[in-house]
Amino acid sequence: AQSVTQLGSHVSVSEGALVLLRCNYSSSVPPYLFWYVQYPNQGLQLLLKYTSAATLVKGINGFEAEFKKSETSFHLTKPSAHMSDAAEYFCAVSDFSGGYNKLIFGAGTRLAVHP
Amino acid sequence: EAGVTQFPSHSVIEKGQTVTLRCDPISGHDNLYWYRRVMGKEIKFLLHFVKESKQDESGMPNNRFLAERTGGTYSTLKVQPAELEDSGVYFCASSRGGTVTYNEQFFGPGTRLTVL
Repeated sequence: AQSVTQLGSHVSVSEGALVLLRCNYSSSVPPYLFWYVQYPNQGLQLLLKYTSAATLVKGINGFEAEFKKSETSFHLTKPSAHMSDAAEYFCAVSDFSGGYNKLIFGAGTRLAVHP
Repeated sequence: EAGVTQFPSHSVIEKGQTVTLRCDPISGHDNLYWYRRVMGKEIKFLLHFVKESKQDESGMPNNRFLAERTGGTYSTLKVQPAELEDSGVYFCASSRGGTVTYNEQFFGPGTRLTVL
């Protein structure tokens, strides 16, 4: 069975500091991996995805993530945090079996950015 | 292109009552998914429609939950009778059809259900 663990339910950084949100996954098949972001009163928005191509994936708003099979990790980073990055972030895995991609989510990490 | 919409945005009901949530997917999207997030926990898959057919309903908690997608367009999720543990945020997502390539799921803003 697939699962996702996000380390840290809350992360706080200063504006301009590095953002690092951790995600570890478990999957018996080559996974597809995703990061979604939810801003207040909005739906989940796809930040980036890994679908077995390049292991370093670049997404929107300056975020990127690196797939590390040996560590079963897919951590999300951004070199310099902006106030507008404050939101909740979700890591998800899917096995894309049968052409359908049910998503398995982690519990989420709420990112706070302070001046 | 309009996104995924959900109605209502909030619902507060008493235990034992019935509630119906609605999801309108992006036009032309064959796949429709329902997910739920109980407070502070992970978002969990409930079920998946392909057009009007239920492809996977393995995540439905029990038979108090009934999902329909008549005509392959909008979907409803009815909870009857509602229990306290049904409280949470219910998300709907849709994606294009086809099985060859990965199709991104687009999420709605969710319906926050509170059962008192």
